[in-house]
Order: sequence, then structure tokens, then C-alpha cells
Amino acid sequence: QSVLTQPPSVSGAPGQRVTISCTGSSSNIGAGFGLHWYQQIPGTAPKLLIHENNNRPSGVPDRFSGSKSGTSASLVITGLQADDEADYYCQSYDSSLSSWVFGGGTKLTVL
Amino acid sequence: EVQLVESGGRLVKSGGSLRVSCRASGFSLNDYAMAWVRQAPGKGLEWVAYISTTSLDKYYADPVKGRFTISRDNDENTVYLQMNSLRVEDMAVYYCVRDEGFGKYWGKGTTVTVSS
Repeated sequence: QSVLTQPPSVSGAPGQRVTISCTGSSSNIGAGFGLHWYQQIPGTAPKLLIHENNNRPSGVPDRFSGSKSGTSASLVITGLQADDEADYYCQSYDSSLSSWVFGGGTKLTVL
Repeated sequence: EVQLVESGGRLVKSGGSLRVSCRASGFSLNDYAMAWVRQAPGKGLEWVAYISTTSLDKYYADPVKGRFTISRDNDENTVYLQMNSLRVEDMAVYYCVRDEGFGKYWGKGTTVTVSS
């Protein structure tokens, strides 16, 4: 059972918009700690997509955006492309655990 | 260019020990906390351990507490994870991560296989 909760899977057709949710609690997202998103192609290391809720590292397309409200956060991908098909993870810090915490991951399928 | 290169993963029997390493380059290891994150086959990401820049602060995930030890040698630009009393459930790819509150830089991982 992951500390952060994500849907196991989402899907969308090319060009469409998808949203991946991430729900936490008052000791992590709700405590004001940053929420970060990673993309992982199977067999490779995770790649940082969004940091500190809504900041994109250099090189990440602006089709990817993040938001946070209360104890939840969302990753939005617009203009879906075939190579967006991957696993997506949210991550924050938990003050009760004194550790990073991850969501269980969401598998994005591009139809 | 920032690079993190893990090594040392191999097949080990349950109850055995193993030390994996992470060699950092392209930045001063002195300036950053570091972490290990693992991923069991077909599973999600799991934070394992954290070490501060000076090694004064170390934190561990509950499943590995008392069995794993994180350390670093800033002069050698290397971070280590000593794993003792290994269990089948420790089998995973172990990633070294530069800890900035999030992981902008990850190594490619080293695979630890534990046989029963």
C-alpha cells in the first residue's frame, strides 16, 4: 500500500488530454511539501517531469503540467503522443516518516 | 554532465550480504544529499535510504532498518549501500539518486537478485 494514491491506469487517444491524480495526506502533500512527477519507460530509470508542483525541468515539453491543491495533485498531459506511453509516479516528502514517499504508479496507455 | 553510475549488484543467497556503490561525476558530491530508491520486478518505486552531505543524518525505510547501511566517501565521489541479512523481498533494481527534495538525477540502476 503506497502512501500516495494514484489510479493504476489511464488511457487516451493521440491528441487527447489525460489527467493522473495523486492523493496524499496532511503529513505529506497537505503539509506543503512539494509534489513531483516522474515518467518511467519500462527497463529505464525514472525521468523527472515536474518538480515542486508545477515546474518543468529544461527539455520537458509544455504538454506536461502539474498542479496541487490541499492533499491532492494532478499531472495533465495534453496533445497525447504515442511515446508518452509509460508509467508515471508522483513523489513527495512525508514528515511522519521522514522519507520520500511515492505513489504506486499509473500506467498510461495511448490507444 | 552529471552522471551517477551504480555497480555491485549480483545474485546473492537469502541471508547474505552485498554492498552496492554509486560513483558520482560532473558535480561535487560534497554539496548534495544522496538517496537510494529501489524497484522490485513489476512493482513501483520505493525509497530506501538517505544520507546528508556530511553523513551526520541518515534515514532508512522501515523494511530495511537495522539491515542496510548507507554511507558516502566524498573524496572518492562515491555513495554506498551495505545490505545485510538479505531477503527475497529485497530483490530489486537499486537506483542512486541525487536528493534535492526530488530526483532530477538518477543512475541507471544495479540489479540485486536474492535467491531462496
